[in-house]
Amino acid sequence: AQSVTQLDSQVPVFEEAPVELRCNYSSSVSVYLFWYVQYPNQGLQLLLKYLSGSTLVKGINGFEAEFNKSQTSFHLRKPSVHISDTAEDFCAVILTNDYKLSFGAGTTVTVRA
Amino acid sequence: SAVISQKPSRDICQRGTSLTIQCQVDSQVTMMFWYRQQPGQSLTLIATANQGSEATYESGFVIDKFPISRPNLTFSTLTVSNMSPEDSSIYLCSVESENYGYTFGSGTRLTVV
Repeated sequence: AQSVTQLDSQVPVFEEAPVELRCNYSSSVSVYLFWYVQYPNQGLQLLLKYLSGSTLVKGINGFEAEFNKSQTSFHLRKPSVHISDTAEDFCAVILTNDYKLSFGAGTTVTVRA
Repeated sequence: SAVISQKPSRDICQRGTSLTIQCQVDSQVTMMFWYRQQPGQSLTLIATANQGSEATYESGFVIDKFPISRPNLTFSTLTVSNMSPEDSSIYLCSVESENYGYTFGSGTRLTVV
């Protein structure tokens, strides 16, 4: 079975500073990887996904993530955050031969002026 | 990607009663997924619902507690039965759009008193 570990439960960051959210996964077979964002009182929105190809994936709102197979990681980055990036971010994984998403515990990003 | 309309958006219910949550999708989809997000926690898959067959429940979830209907390819309901305060959570439905683009409803915030 696969599992996802988000290494930071809370990340406070100042506006216009860079942010990195760490995600590691465990699986004995190939996986697809995702980052979702949940703004306060809203559902989940896909930020980006890695299925194959280039290991650097660019998503919406200036976010990007890099798939590192040797380190089984999929860290999310943004070079300059805005107040509007305050949200809960979830890393998720799915086995390539399956259809069920497994989510990490989430990282709360709080952006301060 | 698919657009999901989920309702109600929130409800406060008395213990011992039941609540039915509805999800309507703007396109035909094979599988629909139901998740629970307990306060301050990540998403846990409750069950997968295919049209024309019984839902498949994950470990820890049973049909008597969370009956699901899937009458056609665009609609599904989840009922939370005989509720207790421990059922207070956000419940979300999800569908797979093309190329592993999972879309989520806006969620139903349930409080059981």
